[in-house]
Amino acid sequence: GIQVEQSPPDLILQEGANSTLRCNFSDSVNNLQWFHQNPWGQLINLFYIPSGTKQNGRLSATTVATERYSLLYISSSQTTDSGVYFCAVEWASGSRLTFGEGTQLTVNP
Amino acid sequence: EAGVVQSPRYKIIEKKQPVAFWCNPISGHNTLYWYLQNLGQGPELLIRYENEEAVDDSQLPKDRFSAERLKGVDSTLKIQPAELGDSAVYLCASSSGTSGYNEQFFGPGTRLTVL
Repeated sequence: GIQVEQSPPDLILQEGANSTLRCNFSDSVNNLQWFHQNPWGQLINLFYIPSGTKQNGRLSATTVATERYSLLYISSSQTTDSGVYFCAVEWASGSRLTFGEGTQLTVNP
Repeated sequence: EAGVVQSPRYKIIEKKQPVAFWCNPISGHNTLYWYLQNLGQGPELLIRYENEEAVDDSQLPKDRFSAERLKGVDSTLKIQPAELGDSAVYLCASSSGTSGYNEQFFGPGTRLTVL
């Protein structure tokens, strides 16, 4: 099956810092989503981004489908950004999402 | 618009007991998914429904797990009997199933502890 690798596995930042999270995948995908799992376990949708670039406030994402990677940018980080960030890909429309192992982000005040 | 609803949020049972989880997807979403998330890992699919039909249950341990989606809306996932290794978070997700656009939305999950 398709493989999804995320880096770094852990990231510790001071409030206000910027960061880049990376997601590599092993095959062509139909869909790619970024999620934030908050400390209560809720998976929050950040981006639906099979290709191209999107921005939402302090967050932006870029997927280069031909090179099989996606990047999530977090600018001016806040303590509420802490949690686990997951990248998940879908190889065919309507099929399962395959998740990476996640990046554990800690933002200190 | 209400999100995906799951209940209960937490469940503690003794091994060999049965347990059931309930999910109500986002209104109008035809596709429903059950995922299992172990501590420190990403979710993994157990079963996917298109309306009432289970179209992908290859990862569902059918000796003890069962699921149903009557009338193509709500769904129930059951474990009987539960084992210690079943302790995990069970997540339900839904998507509209519209061709070419299939963003999945997740519920808050049910955290199961088997003693």
